[in-house]
Amino acid sequence: DAKTTQPNSMESNEEEPVHLPCNHSTISGTDYIHWYRQLPSQGPEYVIHGLTSNVNNRMASLAIAEDRKSSTLILHRATLRDAAVYYCILRDGADSNYQLIWGAGTKLIIKP
Amino acid sequence: GAGVSQTPSNKVTEKGKYVELRCDPISGHTALYWYRQSLGQGPEFLIYFQGTGAADDSGLPNDRFFAVRPEGSVSTLKIQRTERGDSAVYLCASSSVALLAGGDNEQFFGPGTRLTVL
Repeated sequence: DAKTTQPNSMESNEEEPVHLPCNHSTISGTDYIHWYRQLPSQGPEYVIHGLTSNVNNRMASLAIAEDRKSSTLILHRATLRDAAVYYCILRDGADSNYQLIWGAGTKLIIKP
Repeated sequence: GAGVSQTPSNKVTEKGKYVELRCDPISGHTALYWYRQSLGQGPEFLIYFQGTGAADDSGLPNDRFFAVRPEGSVSTLKIQRTERGDSAVYLCASSSVALLAGGDNEQFFGPGTRLTVL
């Protein structure tokens, strides 16, 4: 599986948008981009995923660069409950193995 | 409905002992995963079940680790002769894998079992 690179941590103010970057320069054509987050003392939870087109759901938006070598998770209006570690993960859609390979993620700190 | 549950939430054991960690997946989910997570790191894949069979156990670190899922629902992760390095949070996840290509395998995670080996 291709690797991803994320900043170790980011800070944002409450009620402002947050843009969490992820670089995946070695992404292959069949790799999907998944985002999960992990709140303190909890198991991870799914946020969003995409392949080529930008995606929106009730939690966030995923903006994927045209060359797919980077993506950005967008939280439109951060709240204190969004403070978590955010993981950007690539998963090969052509691979029957469904495991996810996790990096260290970005710790998002929300300031009131 | 209920999410993924794991028991116990905390387990403290002594070096050399045997432990069992249990995972109850979401009802109807055919895929089940075990991960372990050390402090400050992302989860590390251990094993993946599709139904009753282990489809991929390549992440198990050695033969002291074993997992079963005899009826295709509840799974037990078993660790023999525990070592201090086994201390971690063990996470279980399940998904309704329909063997679709790529994207649609959102994994639902349990709260984890924190294992401490003294």
